[in-house]
Amino acid sequence: DGGITQSPKYLFRKEGQNVTLSCEQNLNHDAMYWYRQDPGQGLRLIYYSQIVNDFQKGDIAEGYSVSREKKESFPLTVTSAQKNPTAFYLCASKTAANTGELFFGEGSRLTVL
Amino acid sequence: GQQVMQIPQYQHVQEGEDFTTYCNSSTTLSNIQWYKQRPGGHPVFLIQLVKSGEVKKQKRLTFQFGEAKKNSSLHITATQTTDVGTYFCASGNTGKLIFGQGTTLQVKP
Repeated sequence: DGGITQSPKYLFRKEGQNVTLSCEQNLNHDAMYWYRQDPGQGLRLIYYSQIVNDFQKGDIAEGYSVSREKKESFPLTVTSAQKNPTAFYLCASKTAANTGELFFGEGSRLTVL
Repeated sequence: GQQVMQIPQYQHVQEGEDFTTYCNSSTTLSNIQWYKQRPGGHPVFLIQLVKSGEVKKQKRLTFQFGEAKKNSSLHITATQTTDVGTYFCASGNTGKLIFGQGTTLQVKP
């Protein structure tokens, strides 16, 4: 089945540790996205990539890093510089066109203790 | 940068009542998309509107895009308990998609 797989689903980390969230898609989509979701704040864009080996900052990129070495993969690293990393992280992908729906993964819930 | 403001943040209705959520922007939008996120789930695409004044219907859901392409609405007629969740509008171009804050709908049976 085609889709987007995020892992892990739940993750607990100590303060000061870097964490990498995985996102893999087999939809042959060019564009991939990372959003952060906090209660009452909707989805906020962290990073997005429209093509392999290229990515752009979203609205809240500070404290995060990404890579796009392969078309199907777009991992997100939450670094120790992110001041409030506890959140629900959603990865999504779409075709490269300016229109077209986003397909979301099931999300990764990160809790920093 | 581009922003889309969504109201209300929460709405509680009795089953059978209607529900509307609104999405507004200070700039002209190239398109508007609507998503639904069930509790504990991930957002799922509902529809996309592109043309000025466009109206689309999906069963009990009616989506509108304003004439000036600066606002949009989602209206649900005769809500059911299966309609519970958070409804988001989203818009963007050049690849960057920005979401509204969402409207969380609770339906009391």
